[in-house]
Amino acid sequence: GAGVSQTPSNKVTEKGKYVELRCDPISGHTALYWYRQSLGQGPEFLIYFQGTGAADDSGLPNDRFFAVRPEGSVSTLKIQRTERGDSAVYLCASSYGRSSYNEQFFGPGTRLTVL
Amino acid sequence: AQSVAQPEDQVNVAEGNPLTVKCTYSVSGNPYLFWYVQYPNRGLQFLLKYITGDNLVKGSYGFEAEFNKSQTSFHLKKPSALVSDSALYFCAVRDSMAGNQFYFGTGTSLTVIP
Repeated sequence: GAGVSQTPSNKVTEKGKYVELRCDPISGHTALYWYRQSLGQGPEFLIYFQGTGAADDSGLPNDRFFAVRPEGSVSTLKIQRTERGDSAVYLCASSYGRSSYNEQFFGPGTRLTVL
Repeated sequence: AQSVAQPEDQVNVAEGNPLTVKCTYSVSGNPYLFWYVQYPNRGLQFLLKYITGDNLVKGSYGFEAEFNKSQTSFHLKKPSALVSDSALYFCAVRDSMAGNQFYFGTGTSLTVIP
C-alpha cells in the first residue's frame, strides 16, 4: 500500500516568508508526528497528533510554528516569518493506534531552505 | 532528562564480518527502544524495537539488538554484514514516564566494505 507522502519535496523561500508543508499519512493511522532533521543530526520531535488533536506540541520551537490536522488524516505544518535557522528537512511519520510503542512509518521529508 | 547517544559517527566493517552499532540511552521511566535505518534519498525505515520481555529482539534484514538494562544500552547487531547494509542507522527511545516524544540519536553511518 501507499506509504507516507510529503509535499513539496523541496521548498526554497526567502527570510520572512510563510510556508506550508503537507503530510499525507498511511490510511487508517491515527497517530501522526512531525520532526525536524538538521544536517548531521537525528530527527528532533516537533509535534504529535492523535486523531485531529495535537496531543503533544512541546517540541515546537516557538510560536512561528504551528500544525493542524483538521480531519484526522492530512496534516499541514505552518511556519510564519521564516528564518535562516529554520532550514532543515522536515519529516512526517504516522503510526497505527494509540499505543506509545508502535513503530512509526516515515515519509521522505521536505527539504526547506530559507535564503 | 531523556537522551540517546550513538558514540560512533562512522562504523566500517568488511562484508561477511559481524557488525555492531552502539546505542546508549537515558530515561526516567521504562524505555521503549527502536532502531531505524535511512538509505540515501529514502525515508527512515523501522528495523526493530524493544518494549518488554526477552532482551534479545530480532528484526528486519537479519538485524537483532540486545537490551541491557544495567548498561542502559541497546546495541544493534548482525552476524554477517552485507554491502547492502551500508546506510545511516538511528537509535530512538521513548520514555514511559515522559509523554509522547521520541528521542533520536545523531546517527551512525555504516559502511560495509566488499
